[in-house]
Amino acid sequence: IAGITQAPTSQILAAGRRMTLRCTQDMRHNAMYWYRQDLGLGLRLIHYSNTAGTTGKGEVPDGYSVSRANTDDFPLTLASAVPSQTSVYFCASSVSYGSQGVDEQFFGPGTRLTVL
Amino acid sequence: AQSVAQPEDQVNVAEGNPLTVKCTYSVSGNPYLFWYVQYPNRGLQFLLKYITGDNLVKGSYGFEAEFNKSQTSFHLKKPSALVSDSALYFCAVRRGGFQKLVFGTGTRLLVSP
Repeated sequence: IAGITQAPTSQILAAGRRMTLRCTQDMRHNAMYWYRQDLGLGLRLIHYSNTAGTTGKGEVPDGYSVSRANTDDFPLTLASAVPSQTSVYFCASSVSYGSQGVDEQFFGPGTRLTVL
Repeated sequence: AQSVAQPEDQVNVAEGNPLTVKCTYSVSGNPYLFWYVQYPNRGLQFLLKYITGDNLVKGSYGFEAEFNKSQTSFHLKKPSALVSDSALYFCAVRRGGFQKLVFGTGTRLLVSP
């Protein structure tokens, strides 16, 4: 059982370059999320998706975009990377997204991104 | 707006002693509260959650948390700490009507042998 996989594990990127972080889950969860983790700030939600074909903005969406073409994949794209996007990025999923469910989120192992 | 505060950046405890990691919350309406643990170079792992009912919630690895509405707190506890409990612990509250979680800044727990 893989759960959630993320790729790459780490990446060093020149400012201005485009980068896509990949996330795949095999649990058939409806909801998926992207967070960034920064020292002293905890985790902050970038974008989320409550089901395939729909996405929404989180707390810090600027400079990032997502798509949800199917249930399993939820890629995060940085169109033109800037140094402030240096962070550890976590993808997560949960069974449901609606107010009826309060199920826990499952996290991937993370991608460490450095923008120079 | 919903928020959580973890007032301690680090908690130090000796192995075998009880541990407490503090969390306070601010939310309109009934809170849905969570604790997650993060080991080095790993993603977050779910420990426990409070939705409703009994104020004492039991979770994974012997951890428990006590919901206190009057003090707006949800402290994580364990009767006897292990060195392997050393990790980063996050408190989180569900925000709005959906599954968007708001996380605290994290507390590093260091258990010494």
